[in-house]
Amino acid sequence: DAGVIQSPRHEVTEMGQEVTLRCKPISGHNSLFWYRQTMMRGLELLIYFNNNVPIDDSGMPEDRFSAKMPNASFSTLKIQPSEPRDSAVYFCASNSGRANEQFFGPGTRLTVL
Amino acid sequence: GESVGLHLPTLSVQEGDNSIINCAYSNSASDYFIWYKQESGKGPQFIIDIRSNMDKRQGQRVTVLLNKTVKHLSLQIAATQPGDSAVYFCAEEPSNDYKLSFGAGTTVTVRA
Repeated sequence: DAGVIQSPRHEVTEMGQEVTLRCKPISGHNSLFWYRQTMMRGLELLIYFNNNVPIDDSGMPEDRFSAKMPNASFSTLKIQPSEPRDSAVYFCASNSGRANEQFFGPGTRLTVL
Repeated sequence: GESVGLHLPTLSVQEGDNSIINCAYSNSASDYFIWYKQESGKGPQFIIDIRSNMDKRQGQRVTVLLNKTVKHLSLQIAATQPGDSAVYFCAEEPSNDYKLSFGAGTTVTVRA
């Protein structure tokens, strides 16, 4: 199994631009999580899906952030418009629902200039 | 070497020594706890987990101890190796809904 796949691995953009991060969970996993990691705030849960349905988006910082999961094998996290304070590493993780362990992807390092 | 809670985020340990990483969790109702290891430039990787009905669980070179009375979790690494250098996170699951709440992390550096 390839594990959780994220793309791109690195993204550099200018303030005001739209950013789309992508995630492919492990096949057969029915829960998907988006996290943001910064030095100041650590790992923060932004949103999680169960069976493609958003269950809890209370961690999404503001309306500029949105996430979708159109099917069981793909999710996107979009920031529009992006701001320098959005610079962070964004992780996607998935879970099988039969155990509590979450499997993390390699992350996308986002830099907003 | 030993770190305490989230207030000493770094731990330096001699290769071959045992490491102890401590974590204070916040929710007495949490039922599940997990340790992750994060190497530079990578995502967190599962090390070991434990449920609240256990006090101790052992893996390969790692042991997790849970003290529910004082809401304390620790990770012991035996015979620490250079490859153990990483940031270690504890996490709890407060609501039995697969959502994990992560601690700040402890950076472990292994000295040769």
